[in-house]
Amino acid sequence: DAKTTQPPSMDCAEGRAANLPCNHSTISGNEYVYWYRQIHSQGPQYIIHGLKNNETNEMASLIITEDRKSSTLILPHATLRDTAVYYCIVRRRTSYDKVIFGPGTSLSVIP
Amino acid sequence: GAVVSQHPSRVICKSGTSVKIECRSLDFQATTMFWYRQFPKKSLMLMATSNEGSKATYEQGVEKDKFLINHASLTLSTLTVTSAHPEDSSFYICSARSSGGQETQYFGPGTRLLVL
Repeated sequence: DAKTTQPPSMDCAEGRAANLPCNHSTISGNEYVYWYRQIHSQGPQYIIHGLKNNETNEMASLIITEDRKSSTLILPHATLRDTAVYYCIVRRRTSYDKVIFGPGTSLSVIP
Repeated sequence: GAVVSQHPSRVICKSGTSVKIECRSLDFQATTMFWYRQFPKKSLMLMATSNEGSKATYEQGVEKDKFLINHASLTLSTLTVTSAHPEDSSFYICSARSSGGQETQYFGPGTRLLVL
């Protein structure tokens, strides 16, 4: 699976959009971009995934660049409850692939 | 999203005893389940992958005789930490996925184990 690079930490003001970047320059054509988050002392929560088109759901939007070498997770109106570690993961959707976590980005939403 | 539960949520045991942690997929059939552990301020580390009805595949460095995994049904997997020692104290998290890998992998809430 391709490796991802994320900033170790970010701050965001409450009510503003949080934009979390992820680099995956070695991504291959059949690999998807997944985002999870882990709030302190809880299990990871699935947020969103995409292949090449931008995706939106009730939690967030995922913007993938045209060359697919990077992506951005957008939380449109961050709240204090969005404070968590956010993980960007690249994986193929086969029976052999599993979610392998990197260090992620620790997002702090500030009042 | 799909719901994965774990039981117990936290457990304290004496050194030398064995501890069993259950993982259940509540609203889908999980053909594949995964077990992770997480130390404080660290990321999750994959321990093993199990497919229903077959033996688990362990990641390098994980002792299979120490961490027994049983994936007996499409909704239940168990992790038994045998002869627990204080260094086994950690946050154990299971994950489940349905179908042939096409589906998203969902995670349980985790089990905090403290070995005295």
